[in-house]
Amino acid sequence: RKEVEQDPGPFNVPEGATVAFNCTYSNSASQSFFWYRQDCRKEPKLLMSVYSSGNEDGRFTAQLNRASQYISLLIRDSKLSDSATYLCVVNNDMRFGAGTRLTVKP
Amino acid sequence: EAQVTQNPRYLITVTGKKLTVTCSQNMNHEYMSWYRQDPGLGLRQIYYSMNVEVTDKGDVPEGYKVSRKEKRNFPLILESPSPNQTSLYFCASRSIAGEVEQYFGPGTRLTVT
Repeated sequence: RKEVEQDPGPFNVPEGATVAFNCTYSNSASQSFFWYRQDCRKEPKLLMSVYSSGNEDGRFTAQLNRASQYISLLIRDSKLSDSATYLCVVNNDMRFGAGTRLTVKP
Repeated sequence: EAQVTQNPRYLITVTGKKLTVTCSQNMNHEYMSWYRQDPGLGLRQIYYSMNVEVTDKGDVPEGYKVSRKEKRNFPLILESPSPNQTSLYFCASRSIAGEVEQYFGPGTRLTVT
């Protein structure tokens, strides 16, 4: 089993839709979690950290479920500019998921 | 401006011809690492370094070497490149204090023929 697994998608949604991605991890001792965004052929950039109590940044909400060992990212009111690949990252040794591709269509 | 730079950005080379991809950061970060990204496999760590003169293997170190003689630089060396090393390579750095953001360079697209 991979250390970090994501549904690769692609997720194709209309503008304004709500979309959610999950990411499962195998190491129950994992302590830190992040979501990164990667645009085509560009470097990944931090979207948000994921805190134990869950956290929100505008239209984006991240949650952690330690019991089931997954993190989630919810995007509300999707914009065209949200089209990208979303990578989950676990632990400070930066184990990356393969990424979930999102396309938001007009 | 805080940044990670990589050079070259694009490189086409032939099997067996030694090459070096440079990586430099200006944020005084202790931790630096190299990743390769391949379709369907995501980012896989090649090597990482916790500080000067301290390097360790990541998940896919075979065929690569690194060095960390100075804090700001972390070059990736391919002594004898092979076609299976054709990939998109990213260098990254971060502070080791707490759970902090990792900054990535712009990437190096390498093709080995």
